[in-house]
Amino acid sequence: GAGVSQSPSNKVTEKGKDVELRCDPISGHTALYWYRQSLGQGLEFLIYFQGNSAPDKSGLPSDRFSAERTGGSVSTLTIQRTQQEDSAVYLCASSLQIAGVVDTQYFGPGTRLTVL
Amino acid sequence: QKEVEQNSGPLSVPEGAIASLNCTYSDRGSQSFFWYRQYSGKSPELIMFIYSNGDKEDGRFTAQLNKASQYVSLLIRDSQPSDSATYLCAVNIAALNFGKGTSLLVTP
Repeated sequence: GAGVSQSPSNKVTEKGKDVELRCDPISGHTALYWYRQSLGQGLEFLIYFQGNSAPDKSGLPSDRFSAERTGGSVSTLTIQRTQQEDSAVYLCASSLQIAGVVDTQYFGPGTRLTVL
Repeated sequence: QKEVEQNSGPLSVPEGAIASLNCTYSDRGSQSFFWYRQYSGKSPELIMFIYSNGDKEDGRFTAQLNKASQYVSLLIRDSQPSDSATYLCAVNIAALNFGKGTSLLVTP
């Protein structure tokens, strides 16, 4: 079946511009996560959506970052006034989240963001 | 700060040997533990998870968990050159908290 998809695969932008990154989770997965991975670094949690609950935004590094999830499916991560330190691979993951079952997350291919 | 620590490596093992990858975590409330493999330029792919103390085997992979010592490991038996990748340990509370990964190189 189809996995998690993300678009665009690569994005080059100029410092100060806004960017939008899109994630389509696996169909039926209720939980959606955004992470980012900077060069040589581990994955850093950004934000987590679960069903209709308020999202966990505790990982967002600044108020320039925001995310939405429409209709419990597609999510968009927006970075306003991009800075060079925002350059990273942005990874989306989704999971089924069934009570009593270990929750396993499946990752999309990522969006490589380069801020010039 | 809830830490997940891994040696960055590289860990080099000859083909056919056992590769042992280790991970420690700081949050005693952690319940589920995951190993992901990440090839260069690719996204992480799940190898296996474990949540009970002891060993869990899946093919050539064995995950070991010791909650008292806050330690989780991954053993790869009969290592192959195709196993060369970065191995990420992740701990689940809600979202995954990842270590920085251990680079494994399996030499022919």
